[in-house]
Amino acid sequence: SQTIHQWPATLVQPVGSPLSLECTVEGTSNPNLYWYRQAAGRGLQLLFYSVGIGQISSEVPQNLSASRPQDRQFILSSKKLLLSDSGFYLCAWSFTNERGWMGTGELFFGEGSRLTVL
Amino acid sequence: SQQGEEDPQALSIQEGENATMNCSYKTSINNLQWYRQNSGRGLVHLILIRSNEREKHSGRLRVTLDTSKKSSSLLITASRAADTASYFCAPSPVTSYDKVIFGPGTSLSVIP
Repeated sequence: SQTIHQWPATLVQPVGSPLSLECTVEGTSNPNLYWYRQAAGRGLQLLFYSVGIGQISSEVPQNLSASRPQDRQFILSSKKLLLSDSGFYLCAWSFTNERGWMGTGELFFGEGSRLTVL
Repeated sequence: SQQGEEDPQALSIQEGENATMNCSYKTSINNLQWYRQNSGRGLVHLILIRSNEREKHSGRLRVTLDTSKKSSSLLITASRAADTASYFCAPSPVTSYDKVIFGPGTSLSVIP
């Protein structure tokens, strides 16, 4: 069965410090990978998504970046955090085969990382 | 991109009542998914409805789909306090390059 791991679960960082959130998926290959951010009481904002190693699409101009160094690893980073980067970050994956077929299109989410920037 | 938009954004009901949430979307779809998010947790898939289906049931959940109006509804019958959560809809991606964009969700509060 497939699982998704996301860490750390919680972190408190000072303004201007770097950030690294990591997400890994097990039990599948060539997944589509997504990073979302959710402000308190709000919906999900798509930040990045990736259809393959080294292929990253950025949805929102910001001081965040994403990388996919391995097939099932997705990393969200920042060199200098802003107060506005605070939020709940969710990683998700969806199935895709070598021909780009998405199956049911269901997204599977990690448990999230809560970031507080002070 | 595939995007759903939920309505209402907040809903408060008494335990035992039914809760209805609506979803609108703009593009043609293959499937539409409903997700649930408990406070401080990730989203969990609830139910999928295919474009050739008009209604689907799963336990206390009933989902309808009207592709001519590009809308869907989620009905939770005999609600329980444990149903308190946010609910999101999302059309399924058709290709690998389709973005999945969520709306604001419906925040459901079930009062014991």
